Amino acid sequence: QVQLQESGPGLVKPSQTLSLTCTVSGGSISSGNYYWSWIRQSAGMGLEWIGRIYSSGSTNYNPSVKSRVTMSLDTSKNQFSLKLNSMTAADTAVYYCARHCTNDVCASWGQGTLVTVSS
Amino acid sequence: QSVLTQTPSASGTPGQRVTISCSGSSSNIGSNYVYWYQHLPGTAPKLLIYRNNQRPSGVPDRFSGSKSGTSASLAISGLRSEDEADYYCAAWDNSLSVVYVFGTGTKVTVL
Repeated sequence: QVQLQESGPGLVKPSQTLSLTCTVSGGSISSGNYYWSWIRQSAGMGLEWIGRIYSSGSTNYNPSVKSRVTMSLDTSKNQFSLKLNSMTAADTAVYYCARHCTNDVCASWGQGTLVTVSS
Repeated sequence: QSVLTQTPSASGTPGQRVTISCSGSSSNIGSNYVYWYQHLPGTAPKLLIYRNNQRPSGVPDRFSGSKSGTSASLAISGLRSEDEADYYCAAWDNSLSVVYVFGTGTKVTVL
C-alpha cells in the first residue's frame, strides 16, 4: 500500500519561496505507471490542481501558477518536490501530494500540510 | 477558481439514496472523463469513481457515477453514517492547456 507524506515549512513570509517535499513509501517514483501531483485547498475554498510530473521528468502546470512553480523528482530518496516562488497570502492553503495511475484506475493522496503565508 | 459547479450540500437518512450533481462545459466534462473524490477533513481525499462510472478496487458498489453531456452525477445508495463527507468531482480541461479542474464540492450530511 503506497503512502505519501508531505513535509515542509508551515510558515512562509510573503515574497519568499515555498519548498515542499513528498516522501513516497510502498512504491517507486521511477515507475512509468504513475504520475505525481500537487493539489492545494485554501480555507473555505475548493481544491486547486497545481501540476504534475511524470517519472520521465515531463511536467504540466496550472496556468494560474505556471510562472512561479517548479516540480522535480529525487529518485535516490524516492521523493518529489514542489517549489512555488513569490508567495502571497493567497497561497495560504493545505497542500497535498498525490500519486495517480496513468491508466486512471487509482489515486492516492497524502494527508496534506498547512502552509501559511504571513510576515 | 473551481470550474465545475456542484450543489453545496445534500443530505439523507441512513439507507436513503443521495445524488450529487456536477456541471461543467464542453472543454472539460463534455470531452473528458469525470472523477469523484470523497474527503473527510483532516484525511487524505479518496478516489471513488474514475472514468465516469468505474470504481477502484475496494470502493463499495453503493457508490455509482454517470455522465451526460456536460454534467455528471454521483449517487450514494444505502446511505451510511460514514458517508458523511465532502465530495468533489474533477475532470481534465483542455480549453487553453491541460489542467485538472475540480468541482466546488458538496457536503453530504447523514441525518
